Amino acid sequence: SQQGEEDPQALSIQEGENATMNCSYKTSINNLQWYRQNSGRGLVHLILIRSNEREKHSGRLRVTLDTSKKSSSLLITASRAADTASYFCATDGGSYIPTFGRGTSLIVHP
Amino acid sequence: NAGVTQTPKFQVLKTGQSMTLQCAQDMNHNSMYWYRQDPGMGLRLIYYSASEGTTDKGEVPNGYNVSRLNKREFSLRLESAAPSQTSVYFCASSEAGVRNQPQHFGDGTRLSIL
Repeated sequence: SQQGEEDPQALSIQEGENATMNCSYKTSINNLQWYRQNSGRGLVHLILIRSNEREKHSGRLRVTLDTSKKSSSLLITASRAADTASYFCATDGGSYIPTFGRGTSLIVHP
Repeated sequence: NAGVTQTPKFQVLKTGQSMTLQCAQDMNHNSMYWYRQDPGMGLRLIYYSASEGTTDKGEVPNGYNVSRLNKREFSLRLESAAPSQTSVYFCASSEAGVRNQPQHFGDGTRLSIL
């Protein structure tokens, strides 16, 4: 069963626009991670945010975490065609094994 | 560094055949994992190995066995393949000891069972 669920399932934007995707989860977590998966490749770790953090930045990525709402968001600013990929959140739900959601498919049109 | 290497990249089997998927990592990680990825289902954990010498079942272990051969290698075996096991299989590794560490993934094995 999925602990984290991403929303929307699919997102289509133009290059230069911002892309926002959300992750909701069910049980308390120690931390939450975001991954990217390019077509035909494995997942690549993007960023980890701990349960006591509210916001974290890495380059054009901004992640927020609201533990009271059990939700997180990933913002990609000034999107590029190369950002086209699927994005997954992973939560630990109290154990040390991450559980992945079904992902958001992002298409950035040149 | 190669990171996580999976072999083979593609495989077609007939129902009832057996095969072993290989995974090796060169990052000196203690923990290794096997997932399957199906359309619309995300990644589901099949088995994991928290450290050399230990293995545990994940969410969908039925029909699979694993072997942690040494610290580097973690194999997944299908004893009698079924069409429902058609999927993309990913191996991953992470440092142990801290909850939910970032995982490093291989590029997957695409398995079709006819």
